[in-house]
This record gives sequence, structure tokens and C-alpha cells, in this order.
Amino acid sequence: GESVGLHLPTLSVQEGDNSIINCAYSNSASDYFIWYKQESGKGPQFIIDIRSNMDKRQGQRVTVLLNKTVKHLSLQIAATQPGDSAVYFCAEFLWSSASKIIFGSGTRLSIRP
Amino acid sequence: DAGVIQSPRHEVTEMGQEVTLRCKPISGHDYLFWYRQTMMRGLELLIYFNNNVPIDDSGMPEDRFSAKMPNASFSTLKIQPSEPRDSAVYFCASSRGGRETQYFGPGTRLLVL
Repeated sequence: GESVGLHLPTLSVQEGDNSIINCAYSNSASDYFIWYKQESGKGPQFIIDIRSNMDKRQGQRVTVLLNKTVKHLSLQIAATQPGDSAVYFCAEFLWSSASKIIFGSGTRLSIRP
Repeated sequence: DAGVIQSPRHEVTEMGQEVTLRCKPISGHDYLFWYRQTMMRGLELLIYFNNNVPIDDSGMPEDRFSAKMPNASFSTLKIQPSEPRDSAVYFCASSRGGRETQYFGPGTRLLVL
């Protein structure tokens, strides 16, 4: 079935280094993707999104890359800070589904001092 | 804006009891979503509403679960009777449009003993 999955369940990064979180999606009909950050005890928080007509989008310290050829999505966080510690989810909208998001299983990012 | 508001934040109840979770979406958002999050299954969409009308309830586990949205500023998710396997964090989210960013509330952590 359609699914969104993550290559790495956990990622440990040195403070100040860049982080790269990867996500694979299986449905080529997906046309809108979102990265969410979830801190302990809180709800998912929107970070950045990208539509299928783009292959890169930048925000503040974050960049999302979309490779439709291999159905791969990545989130890059520059100069990782302790406050970036969280679980990161990629999510996709299916073109055939008006409003349903499919969430990936999540990657936990931990920051080493 | 205060964001999506959920109550209660924590709920502990005994098996067989009725549980009612409440949500106030962001003002002006036409879509409201109920999710359940567990370690085993991740984030699952239970049901969503558009303009107070339920659109897709295919994620509702069984007849013990019901959701209502009597007006644009209030929704409830009810479990009757509750079972230990219903223990999870329940999130409410809202969005301005069907294919727009969803903003999540802080969640209700439910424990059924």
C-alpha cells in the first residue's frame, strides 16, 4: 500500500554540525510534502513544505529537497542546536485524496554537546 | 491566535468508562482533523471534518469511537466504552484548506486502566 517511511529511526549529531534527515515515499502520485517537528509532550509543529513542482525549498536554517525520480525527501538543518532535538516526521498528500496526510514513522534527532 | 486548543491534557480512566476529548480549532480554519498517536502505529488519522461535516471517518477504529462538530469552533471525540488499547495521545489539528498545512494542538494523553 501507499506509505511514507524513513531510512533512519535515530540520528545523533554534534551540536553545530548540519543534520540530514531522509524520507522515502512510495506513491508517485503524491504532490505535496510537509516536514513536522515534534518535541516531547507536544503536538507536531510545521517546519517546511514543498510541492511536487519544486525540488528545493529553503527556510530559516532548514532546507527541504525533493527527488521525484527516486521518491526521496530530505530535511537539512544547518548548524544544529540543542533546541532541534525532537522527532521529525515527513508527511505526504496524495493527489487522489483531498485532505488526508500520510505520516512517516519519524526520526529522532539527538544533539551531542 | 491561541492555536488549536485541546482539553483535557491528561485523562486517566477505567476500562468501560466513557471518555470525551475536546478541541477548539484555529478561528477561520475550515478543516478539523482527529489523530491518534501510539508508539506501535505512529500518527493515524481517525476522522476529519470540512465546514463541520464529517468527510472521512475510515480511520475510526470501531463503533466505540464517535466524533462530532456541532459548530465551527468546537469538536468532540468520544470513546464509549473505553478499553486499555485505546491508551494513546489524541491530537486535534486544523487547517485553512483541505490541502494546506495542518496545525496541531498539544494533544490529550489518555490512559485507560
